[in-house]
Amino acid sequence: DARVTQTPRHKVTEMGQEVTMRCQPILGHNTVFWYRQTMMQGLELLAYFRNRAPLDDSGMPKDRFSAEMPDATLATLKIQPSEPRDSAVYFCASGFYRDFLGDTIYFGEGSWLTVV
Amino acid sequence: KQEVTQIPAALSVPEGENLVLNCSFTDSAIYNLQWFRQDPGKGLTSLLLIQSSQREQTSGRLNASLDKSSGRSTLYIAASQPGDSATYLCAVGASGNKLTFGGGTRVLVKP
Repeated sequence: DARVTQTPRHKVTEMGQEVTMRCQPILGHNTVFWYRQTMMQGLELLAYFRNRAPLDDSGMPKDRFSAEMPDATLATLKIQPSEPRDSAVYFCASGFYRDFLGDTIYFGEGSWLTVV
Repeated sequence: KQEVTQIPAALSVPEGENLVLNCSFTDSAIYNLQWFRQDPGKGLTSLLLIQSSQREQTSGRLNASLDKSSGRSTLYIAASQPGDSATYLCAVGASGNKLTFGGGTRVLVKP
């Protein structure tokens, strides 16, 4: 049963610390997304990649957030330094896109981040 | 900028009643629309995907319709069960497979 895998599932960290979240997309998917979910803002797109190349990271605070895909099986989202307002659930999702048609997007279980 | 709205934010129905969940979007130039289910503390599970050229999709007790011209989609869940209690989110797909989400409708099905 193919699924998107995220680690860590839960993270509590102190303000100012670096946080790295990892995602293994479904094998064969060419598009990977990072979303953030909060009660106030709902689900927001932070960044996404196609064939490992970053296509859009306009939703990300550039000064502290960075997203990379070092290889086809790993996507990372890093926050440095972390702040209490970064507390949220961070979801990774993957899908297959071709010829202007989008396929079903599959979400991981999320990384629940609390910054104190 | 695409805006997606789901009304009501919460809904409570007795078991057996049909559920009707609404989703509206401001920009009709969409590629697809996807309905998700989210249980507390969990990720999102895809329920149905409707391509922009389609009018509806069905899966079991679920049926989703799409009217691009009016900017609306409706998710119908027939004969609701307590296990259908969850938050339902619609997401509009744009160029590049990017999804814009609505705020969700929290559903409670009472036994």
